[in-house]
Amino acid sequence: DQQVKQNSPSLSVQEGRISILNCDYTNSMFDYFLWYKKYPAEGPTFLISISSIKDKNEDGRFTVFLNKSAKHLSLHIVPSQPGDSAVYFCAASRYNNAGNMLTFGGGTRLMVKP
Amino acid sequence: EAQVTQNPRYLITVTGKKLTVTCSQNMNHEYMSWYRQDPGLGLRQIYYSMNVEVTDKGDVPEGYKVSRKEKRNFPLILESPSPNQTSLYFCASSLNANLAGGSTDTQYFGPGTRLTVL
Repeated sequence: DQQVKQNSPSLSVQEGRISILNCDYTNSMFDYFLWYKKYPAEGPTFLISISSIKDKNEDGRFTVFLNKSAKHLSLHIVPSQPGDSAVYFCAASRYNNAGNMLTFGGGTRLMVKP
Repeated sequence: EAQVTQNPRYLITVTGKKLTVTCSQNMNHEYMSWYRQDPGLGLRQIYYSMNVEVTDKGDVPEGYKVSRKEKRNFPLILESPSPNQTSLYFCASSLNANLAGGSTDTQYFGPGTRLTVL
């Protein structure tokens, strides 16, 4: 049973418009949520995160919104650029006695068209 | 340059032939882990290590072994590979186990190893 789900496997957006990537989770014990970006033939790289006690975090063109009651978070990219074309993974972090463990969603492939 | 390296990048092997995928980081990180990425399932953690000689199972440890004899190295061992271990593997490291994102809590990933078991 996947605790973190990204229901859209792909998304296509025109350059300059907003990209919205969605993520749903089931475990209310997650305490951080992260987004990673992955280009082909490379490992994922950290993009932005949000604490479970906040509802918004912004970093330049990237904003993550968290709706705890709906167990839903989203990543907004404004404006979208062709270089943003990549696979985006949502991840949730929970603490156990060994530190934090990450649970990843299945990923969404974003294509930004010039 | 701070980085996580993995070798080999690509490997095709046959069922039952033992193999090792190496992982090395040059950032003096304490925490290292292995993930596998499969279509639609995202990344799933195989094993992790909090420090030298301290390792533990992740979500999908069956069929894998690891060791952490030195801080910089964290090899993944498949004693008897099977076709269901065909996957894309990533090694990752971070300063510590507080994987909350941000400048000090971020995991750095290697470039990946694509393994095919026939």
